[in-house]
Amino acid sequence: QKEVEQNSGPLSVPEGAIASLNCTYSDRGSQSFFWYRQYSGKSPELIMSIYSNGDKEDGRFTAQLNKASQYVSLLIRDSQPSDSATYLCAVNGNNAGNMLTFGGGTRLMVKP
Amino acid sequence: DGGITQSPKYLFRKEGQNVTLSCEQNLNHDAMYWYRQDPGQGLRLIYYSQIVNDFQKGDIAEGYSVSREKKESFPLTVTSAQKNPTAFYLCASTFGGTGELFFGEGSRLTVL
Repeated sequence: QKEVEQNSGPLSVPEGAIASLNCTYSDRGSQSFFWYRQYSGKSPELIMSIYSNGDKEDGRFTAQLNKASQYVSLLIRDSQPSDSATYLCAVNGNNAGNMLTFGGGTRLMVKP
Repeated sequence: DGGITQSPKYLFRKEGQNVTLSCEQNLNHDAMYWYRQDPGQGLRLIYYSQIVNDFQKGDIAEGYSVSREKKESFPLTVTSAQKNPTAFYLCASTFGGTGELFFGEGSRLTVL
């Protein structure tokens, strides 16, 4: 069973701080990694994708991938109250159909 | 504007009734997906389709059925065989079957 694990939180950070969200996965053949943001009662939206080891930066967001350790993380710099949401990690394995496996999500709360 | 439209947004059903959730996209995406989300949980794949007139079961297909007669449309029927159908249902699509999913706004089904 392929698994993607996240701490459910809530992770509480003060406004302006760095929020660090972590995700581990079990399938060593996983090729692609994604972070989705989901506001309460809404549908998820893609915020970052990463395909190779290292860091990928997009504005205040940085995704980090370490395939040897099988973890992927998302850093949010200068956290804002509007970043308060649940962040879903998703992993795309090397399988027929390339289906995504989602983690349970980490709820982030940014306090003013 | 391109996007994915799901309807209805809210649906109440009596036990023993089948219901059909609509999903239409005008993004010209090949692949379409149905996910289920329970409170505080991640997304679980019900069915997916990568091409017209073809679809595959996901991890939790029992009690559900789909069709893909047109590229734009991928309706989901929740049958009376689904033992615990109360959930948030999300339709998504992607071009070329990548993990970069676009989601509809979701349909919230409650069984009374």
